[in-house]
Parts: sequence; structure tokens; C-alpha cells
Amino acid sequence: NAGVMQNPRHLVRRRGQEARLRCSPMKGHSHVYWYRQLPEEGLKFMVYLQKENIIDESGMPKERFSAEFPKEGPSILRIQQVVRGDSAAYFCASSPRSPGGGNYGYTFGSGTRLTVV
Amino acid sequence: DAKTTQPPSMDCAEGRAANLPCNHSTISGNEYVYWYRQIHSQGPQYIIHGLKNNETNEMASLIITEDRKSSTLILPHATLRDTAVYYCIVRVPSNTGKLIFGQGTTLQVKP
Repeated sequence: NAGVMQNPRHLVRRRGQEARLRCSPMKGHSHVYWYRQLPEEGLKFMVYLQKENIIDESGMPKERFSAEFPKEGPSILRIQQVVRGDSAAYFCASSPRSPGGGNYGYTFGSGTRLTVV
Repeated sequence: DAKTTQPPSMDCAEGRAANLPCNHSTISGNEYVYWYRQIHSQGPQYIIHGLKNNETNEMASLIITEDRKSSTLILPHATLRDTAVYYCIVRVPSNTGKLIFGQGTTLQVKP
């Protein structure tokens, strides 16, 4: 049973380009969470999505960042017009049901390391 | 979600038990204690969680004090591969799904 798959593992973008990060949740999981870890800092929540719905985007920067989790396919975190400050590790986690529906741990992927040059 | 306090770093000898403390003095009655760890910039790994009873699984044990104001994560026989940052998180299972990670404790297991 494959875990949470994130790709690419490493992504290099020039300032002004777009970055697209993909996350395939564990089989049977329909809830996805994105976190960002800036260099030498802790993990920060960005967004929580269910299939075709954004449930909580309170941690998303107001501009340039968007996320989706379509009915088919992986969840996508999209960063438009990247800047050097976007350089970070982006982690995705998944769960089988709503986080309010029970107490359990999330399964995280290995992350995508984004470097903006 | 209640705030947690952890020592910034700890050392442990290989083969010995590692006891990682966490203070959560403002915890409320319906908040759970969760532990995750992050090994060298990999994705966080869920370890264990509990509400008020002590818990044990194949990875670790969680001891929660009777007043629930603090807890201890125990790795019974630490190995070099247990070197990681350990995060104690207190939260109510809610519809937001948000985990608030603090600075954690960096555990260094030494040979």
C-alpha cells in the first residue's frame, strides 16, 4: 500500500515562473492537507481539501497560491510568479476521513523541495 | 489549541530509553496529545496520540499525567535512526484539520 506520493521531489524555478506541486494521497484517503516548511523554521499549515472542495485555506498566502483536489487525479498546489521567499519544503498529508470525525494521525509524504533562483 | 512547551534538545545513548517531556498546562478536557517526528527534513511521521490514558504502540509509549498538564513520550530502546525532531501537539479533532507544529525537541541518539 503506497504512502502519500509527492512529486517532484525537487523543483527549481526562476523568479516569475509557475510551480506546480502534486500530491497523491494514500489509497482510500479523500482528505488532503498541505504544509510549508521554510528553511530553519517549523511546519506551517496552508490548506485542507476534500475532493473538489477547499475546506480551510486559512494558512494560504492571499496572492499567487492556489490549491485544488479534483475528483480524479492528484491534489495540486500551484504557486504563480514565484519569488525567492517561496523557496521551502512543501509537505502533503492525507487522512481517510474528516479530521473532526475522529482522532488519528495523518500520513505525510516526503515533500517537494522548491528552490527559486 | 493549547500551547505546548518542549526542551529544544536532548541526548540519549543508543539502546537506552529516550524520555521526551512535553508541558501543556492549558490543555482542555477534549484536547488530545499527539506526537510526530521529523527525521532529517523528511515528511513528519505520526508516532502516537492519547487523551488521558497511557498509550503504547509498536513505536513508543505515551504517558499522560493525571491532571493532563504534561506528558512524556518514551522510546524504549533508542537507535541511531530515532535521531529526529519530535513534536508534541495538542488539539481538538476538528473540521479544520490544522496541526500547529512548534519548535519541537531535537533528539540526538549517540552510539
